[in-house]
Amino acid sequence: KNQVEQSPQSLIILEGKNCTLQCNYTVSPFSNLRWYKQDTGRGPVSLTIMTFSENTKSNGRYTATLDADTKQSSLHITASQLSDSASYICVVSESGGFKTIFGAGTRLFVKA
Amino acid sequence: NAGVTQTPKFRVLKTGQSMTLLCAQDMNHEYMYWYRQDPGMGLRLIHYSVGEGTTAKGEVPDGYNVSRLKKQNFLLGLESAAPSQTSVYFCASSKPGQESPLHFGNGTRLTVT
Repeated sequence: KNQVEQSPQSLIILEGKNCTLQCNYTVSPFSNLRWYKQDTGRGPVSLTIMTFSENTKSNGRYTATLDADTKQSSLHITASQLSDSASYICVVSESGGFKTIFGAGTRLFVKA
Repeated sequence: NAGVTQTPKFRVLKTGQSMTLLCAQDMNHEYMYWYRQDPGMGLRLIHYSVGEGTTAKGEVPDGYNVSRLKKQNFLLGLESAAPSQTSVYFCASSKPGQESPLHFGNGTRLTVT
C-alpha cells in the first residue's frame, strides 16, 4: 500500500534555531514529492517540489532533500522565525496516474 | 486575485440534513478538487474534476456528490449528513500536469451532530 509517513509528529524549537523534518514514502512508481506549509486555519501552500533526479532544492530558509533510492526526503529550516510555526506536509505523487498521497504532517512550534 | 475562495467558513448540521459547500477559483485552472482533513491523517481526496462538466471519484467519495457546471466553480454536496462527515473540507485547483502545485482555499469546518 502506498504510504507517506512523517516524523516527528510535532516539534518545539527556539527562535533562531535550525530544525529538520523527515518524510518516508513507499509510493511507487514515483513522480514527485512536494512540501507544503499549512498555517493554522488556512489551506496548505506549496514550498518546493522534488523530482526523481533532484537531490537538493532551496527556497529561502527552506532546503528540501530527496533520496529516491531510500525513499526519504527531509525539509531543513534554517534560522527559524516565529512565523515558521505551522504544519509541514509531505505529499508524494504517483507517476502516470492521478494519485497523490498526503502525509499527516509535522506540527512545528517556534518559541521566542 | 482572490485565488481559491470557499464558503461558508463554518457550518453545523444535524444528522440527516443536507448542504452544499461552494468553491470558486479565479486562476483559470482546469483541475479542481475536494479534500477532507481529519486529525492525525493526511488530506484525503473526495472528488475531483479535470474540466467543466466532468467529475470523478477520489479516495473517499461515499456520501458526497459534486458538480462543475462552470470552470471556475466546484460544488460539494452532502445529501444526508452523518457524524462521520465532521471534518475540515478543502477545495483546491491546479493547472494540468503532475508537477503543478495545488492551490488551496482556507477550508470549511463542518460539524455534524
